[in-house]
Amino acid sequence: QSALTQPASVSGSPGQSITISCTGTISIGDYDSVSWYQHHPGKAPKLMIYEVTARPSGVSNRFSGSKSGNTASLTISGLQVEDEADYYCSSYTSTSNRVVFGGGTKLTVL
Amino acid sequence: EVLLVESGGDLVQPGDSLRLSCAASGFTFSNYAITWVRQTPGTGLEWVSTISGSGGTTHYADSVKGRFTISRDNSRNTLYLQMNSLKAEDTAFYYCTRGAPTGWYFFDYWGQGALVTVSS
Repeated sequence: QSALTQPASVSGSPGQSITISCTGTISIGDYDSVSWYQHHPGKAPKLMIYEVTARPSGVSNRFSGSKSGNTASLTISGLQVEDEADYYCSSYTSTSNRVVFGGGTKLTVL
Repeated sequence: EVLLVESGGDLVQPGDSLRLSCAASGFTFSNYAITWVRQTPGTGLEWVSTISGSGGTTHYADSVKGRFTISRDNSRNTLYLQMNSLKAEDTAFYYCTRGAPTGWYFFDYWGQGALVTVSS
């Protein structure tokens, strides 16, 4: 099972853009199985991106996803104070029927 | 409105058993796979177990396989997680999550979580 590696923390100022990476040690899972979750402490996590690039209804278009090789990325443009949260990537591998999460990235909006 | 409400979290001793429940509403429960995801204090999210809409297929993380059993009662719109032989490392918030229509491994709705503490 491939592990997913994320940076422990990233930061940015309001209005700026940031990118959080998610790299699979072996692979990033099935081709389109990458998703991203936002977690404000004390609240339920929220699905922000699925199928690498798709946004659920209600999620701001400031959030976008991409993938290149074994690395998926979440980009947040026009940073807002309320974007400060923990972000987790996730992927699925059909050969093992397992889901794996990255270690999480703490986003600080300065 | 889709709602998932966990219950049953408690403080237990190592080796004890505990059963979590998740009451679902706002959607046709039997049409969706449901998954337990946990978050241990100070660390990240961990996938625990998934059950198909019919209940006929289950998957488990290696860390809980053989100790935890996931089940569901579609007549009661309720999901369960029976946890046996609990260990200190099972201490976590346990979230009930719904699998998205495009893939059960996308968790589109989450409950607020139930805290399980395993300590002597």
